Amino acid sequence: GENVEQHPSTLSVQEGDSAVIKCTYSDSASNYFPWYKQELGKGPQLIIDIRSNVGEKKDQRIAVTLNKTAKHFSLHITETQPEDSAVYFCAAGYSTLTFGKGTMLLVSP
Amino acid sequence: DSGVTQTPKHLITATGQRVTLRCSPRSGDLSVYWYQQSLDQGLQFLIQYYNGEERAKGNILERFSAQQFPDLHSELNLSSLELGDSALYFCASSVVGGPSTDTQYFGPGTRLTVL
Repeated sequence: GENVEQHPSTLSVQEGDSAVIKCTYSDSASNYFPWYKQELGKGPQLIIDIRSNVGEKKDQRIAVTLNKTAKHFSLHITETQPEDSAVYFCAAGYSTLTFGKGTMLLVSP
Repeated sequence: DSGVTQTPKHLITATGQRVTLRCSPRSGDLSVYWYQQSLDQGLQFLIQYYNGEERAKGNILERFSAQQFPDLHSELNLSSLELGDSALYFCASSVVGGPSTDTQYFGPGTRLTVL
């Protein structure tokens, strides 16, 4: 089955800095790669996703890049704000999703 | 608010007991997914139902079962509960059932504590 590795497990940045979270996956059949943000006491919320026919996607301060050859994809958050502090999960799949173990992002004012 | 509802929010029970978690998908969504989230295992896919039929199975224990009813709400039944079953249980829904074509929207979760 699919295996998704996510790094780093924790990431601390200053407000205004950029943050990058990286994931690798094992199953070359995976063609859908969403990113979720989970705040304390809430369910995961989709923030951006990318499909295998696209190399990069951007939505305001958030961007995701995908390298299918190397089987890795990354989340980039620019101009971070304290409200970006949360746990971020990557996932990969075709018929079902396999999630990474999460990255706790802490943005300090 | 994702539009997915889950009840109850919290559940405290004893080992050996049986509980039922309920999920109502977003209006128009035909697929329901169940996930277990624990500190050491992360977010684990348990099972998916599409329009009343089981579509995919993940790491679901034999003590656990689920079903999706004609009105598309779903229930996850957990029996012979053990301490290790304490976790957050999330339901997600999507329009159809293939992640390559649509997005999964998560509910707020049910926190299960087994004492």
